[in-house]
Amino acid sequence: AQSVTQLDSQVPVFEEAPVELRCNYSSSVSVYLFWYVQYPNQGLQLLLKYLSGSTLVESINGFEAEFNKSQTSFHLRKPSVHISDTAEYFCAVSEGGSEKLVFGKGTKLTVNP
Amino acid sequence: DADVTQTPRNRITKTGKRIMLECSQTKGHDRMYWYRQDPGLGLRLIYYSFDVKDINKGEISDGYSVSRQAQAKFSLSLESAIPNQTALYFCATSDSGRGYYGYTFGSGTRLTVV
Repeated sequence: AQSVTQLDSQVPVFEEAPVELRCNYSSSVSVYLFWYVQYPNQGLQLLLKYLSGSTLVESINGFEAEFNKSQTSFHLRKPSVHISDTAEYFCAVSEGGSEKLVFGKGTKLTVNP
Repeated sequence: DADVTQTPRNRITKTGKRIMLECSQTKGHDRMYWYRQDPGLGLRLIYYSFDVKDINKGEISDGYSVSRQAQAKFSLSLESAIPNQTALYFCATSDSGRGYYGYTFGSGTRLTVV
């Protein structure tokens, strides 16, 4: 069965610093990978996804994630964070042929001034 | 109006009471899901429905039931609420064959069982 591990439950950083939120998955078949963001008191929003093709995917607000099949990872990165990036970030995986998402436990990113 | 609407937004109920959480969507999606979110545990799937006549249990369905009244409506019921069902509940939708383009989530229902 597929599973998702987010290695850090909390990540505090200073504004304008780079950040990496780590995600590893386990699956014996091809997968689709997602990052969702949850701002305080809101629902989840899709940040970016990997379906196929280029292993580096980008979001409109400067985040990027790279699919690494050999390391079964899909880490999320941003070179310079803003206060407004403070949120909880969830990695999710869907095995090929299934539309059910399995979520990681989340990483709370806190950006301090 | 939101694409996926959950009601109520907040609810406090007593142990043993029956409660229903409702979800409606205007996306035209045929697939709907109920998740619960607990601090430190992420989101866990309770039930999902791929169309009106297709309802399936998720990983934590015990103590819950669902009803898909129409393509646009998917309700979650707690027949006899207990305190460990205190959580944030999310409804989500996706389009068949296009679920890989991501789910659309509602804003959540915060349920407290006392």
